[in-house]
Amino acid sequence: NAGVTQTPKFQVLKTGQSMTLQCAQDMNHNSMYWYRQDPGMGLRLIYYSASEGTTDKGEVPNGYNVSRLNKREFSLRLESAAPSQTSVYFCASSYRTGSDPYEQYFGPGTRLTVT
Amino acid sequence: AQSVSQHNHHVILSEAASLELGCNYSYGGTVNLFWYVQYPGQHLQLLLKYFSGDPLVKGIKGFEAEFIKSKFSFNLRKPSVQWSDTAEYFCAVKGNNRLAFGKGNQVVVIP
Repeated sequence: NAGVTQTPKFQVLKTGQSMTLQCAQDMNHNSMYWYRQDPGMGLRLIYYSASEGTTDKGEVPNGYNVSRLNKREFSLRLESAAPSQTSVYFCASSYRTGSDPYEQYFGPGTRLTVT
Repeated sequence: AQSVSQHNHHVILSEAASLELGCNYSYGGTVNLFWYVQYPGQHLQLLLKYFSGDPLVKGIKGFEAEFIKSKFSFNLRKPSVQWSDTAEYFCAVKGNNRLAFGKGNQVVVIP
């Protein structure tokens, strides 16, 4: 099993450009999550999908959109990138459905720089 | 909403020293608690977790954590650290469909 995979690993964008970060998991998990990690801030939840067909806002959703394409894939889109979105983005998944995120498994991350 | 506080963001210690990282949480429901570790350049990995039962939880690589309900704490300990324990450590609490993470402890172990 590959676990949770993310593409790309690195990306540099200019302000105003758009891009989509891809995430896939092969563990048959129901729930998937997008976080951003900034120095001294820990991990902050951007969006999550408790189950296929549902998405919900997390702690810092502004400037982002998500799509739960199917059970395996959960993408994060930046419509108009801003320097404040420079960060490391992690995707995660967990088995439990409903309101219990249980143990989360993380992908390797995407390091995004917006100039 | 749940929240997590971690103290002493930067910790520097020598090999064989003991490590204790504090974690305090706030959440009104049934508590599920986690410690994750992030080695340099890598993604987060689960170190240990507490759901119920014995409040002293043993994890990988010699780490353990104690859940003290009356203190809303879940402190991480290791009796004797190694250089390879250099990493960032995150405490997390589950609630309301998500995990809330603390800001992390950057631990540097000097050989």
